[in-house]
Amino acid sequence: GAGVSQSPSNKVTEKGKDVELRCDPISGHTALYWYRQSLGQGLEFLIYFQGNSAPDKSGLPSDRFSAERTGGSVSTLTIQRTQQEDSAVYLCASSPFGVSNTGELFFGEGSRLTVL
Amino acid sequence: DAKTTQPTSMDCAEGRAANLPCNHSTISGNEYVYWYRQIHSQGPQYIIHGLKNNETNEMASLIITEDRKSSTLILPHATLRDTAVYYCIVRGSVRSNDYKLSFGAGTTVTVRA
Repeated sequence: GAGVSQSPSNKVTEKGKDVELRCDPISGHTALYWYRQSLGQGLEFLIYFQGNSAPDKSGLPSDRFSAERTGGSVSTLTIQRTQQEDSAVYLCASSPFGVSNTGELFFGEGSRLTVL
Repeated sequence: DAKTTQPTSMDCAEGRAANLPCNHSTISGNEYVYWYRQIHSQGPQYIIHGLKNNETNEMASLIITEDRKSSTLILPHATLRDTAVYYCIVRGSVRSNDYKLSFGAGTTVTVRA
C-alpha cells in the first residue's frame, strides 16, 4: 500500500495475556518508529529502528515490551503479560533516511489496545 | 525537557486565517521547526518545516522570526476539517543524527462554523 499499515486496528485482551502489534512501513523507508498515546495524552516515544537494528530503545517502559524488525521492513511490537496501564493507541511511523530527505515521519492509523 | 511552548487551545472561525504561535527560545543553530497535526482518532500528519526562512506549501505557511526564537503556523482559510491538535516540534537535521520527534501537548484548534 501507499501508506504505513498497522494491524490489528483494535485489540481487546485480558490482563496477563501477551499481544503482538504489527507495522508495515512504506516501502523503501529505512527508519521506523513506535510511539504510544494514552487517552487524552501526547505521543510517547518507544523505540526507533534504522534498518533491522534499534539504536534507541530508551522509550520502552519496561522489560515486558520488546520490538523487532526483519528484512528492513515489517516490525512487531510485543507486550508480554499485559497490564491495564498498557491500554493506549500504539502508533508506528516510517521515514526515508538520508541526507536529502526532509525528516518527515509518515504515521499509520495506530493500533488501539484495551487491556481488561 | 520541552523545547517548545504552545497555547493549550484556540478557536478559529471557518474561512478565516488561523495563526498558531510557538515559542522555541532555546533553539540551536542546526535545529529545524516542524509542525504536525493530529485529527481525532488518526495518526499525526506532517504539515511543514523550516530552518530560518519562511516556508509555504499547499497546506500552510510557516513564519519564523529573525532570531528564530518563535514561529507562527498560518492556515490561510481554515475549514472545519482543520480541527485538530497542532504540534510544534524542534528537531536537529537528520545529518546530525537527531532522528527523534518529541511531541508535546500541542494546541487544540477548534474551527467553528
